Amino acid sequence: AQSVTQLGSHVSVSEGALVLLRCNYSSSVPPYLFWYVQYPNQGLQLLLKYTTGATLVKGINGFEAEFKKSETSFHLTKPSAHMSDAAEYFCAVSDSVNDMRFGAGTRLTVKP
Amino acid sequence: DAGVTQSPTHLIKTRGQHVTLRCSPISGHKSVSWYQQVLGQGPQFIFQYYEKEERGRGNFPDRFSARQFPNYSSELNVNALLLGDSALYLCASSGQAGGYNEQFFGPGTRLTVL
Repeated sequence: AQSVTQLGSHVSVSEGALVLLRCNYSSSVPPYLFWYVQYPNQGLQLLLKYTTGATLVKGINGFEAEFKKSETSFHLTKPSAHMSDAAEYFCAVSDSVNDMRFGAGTRLTVKP
Repeated sequence: DAGVTQSPTHLIKTRGQHVTLRCSPISGHKSVSWYQQVLGQGPQFIFQYYEKEERGRGNFPDRFSARQFPNYSSELNVNALLLGDSALYLCASSGQAGGYNEQFFGPGTRLTVL
């Protein structure tokens, strides 16, 4: 069975600082990995995804994530935080079937 | 182009009642998935439908059912509502079935059970 663990339910950074949101996964087959962002009272928006190929994945809004098989990790980073990045972030794992499993989420706060 | 739409936006029901939630996928998308997001948690997979057939089912009781129509829109039905069914219900569509495909999410239906 697949699962995702997001380390840290809340992360707070200053505007302009590095954003690092941690995600570890468990999967018995090669995983497909996703990061989604959710703004208040809205649905989820895809930031980036890893399927196959290059392990460093670039997404929208300056975010990127690196798939590290040896560490079973898929951490999300952004070099410089903006106030508009404040939101809930979800890591998700899927396989070749259909079931997508989400982590519990990390709430990012950006301080001015 | 219109994204995934869901109706209603908000809904208040009492215990024991029945509810129907509706979803219209992005035009051309044939796969619809339903998720339950309880406050403070990540979305939990309920169902996936592709070409009107159920392709996957999460760990939810039989009180939850769904169907997909010829135009690929979908309904999620929940019978005998419990307080614990209060949640944001998200619908997502994708062009194909398969876990590698990006899912596009609607804004959700907020269900409150009193």
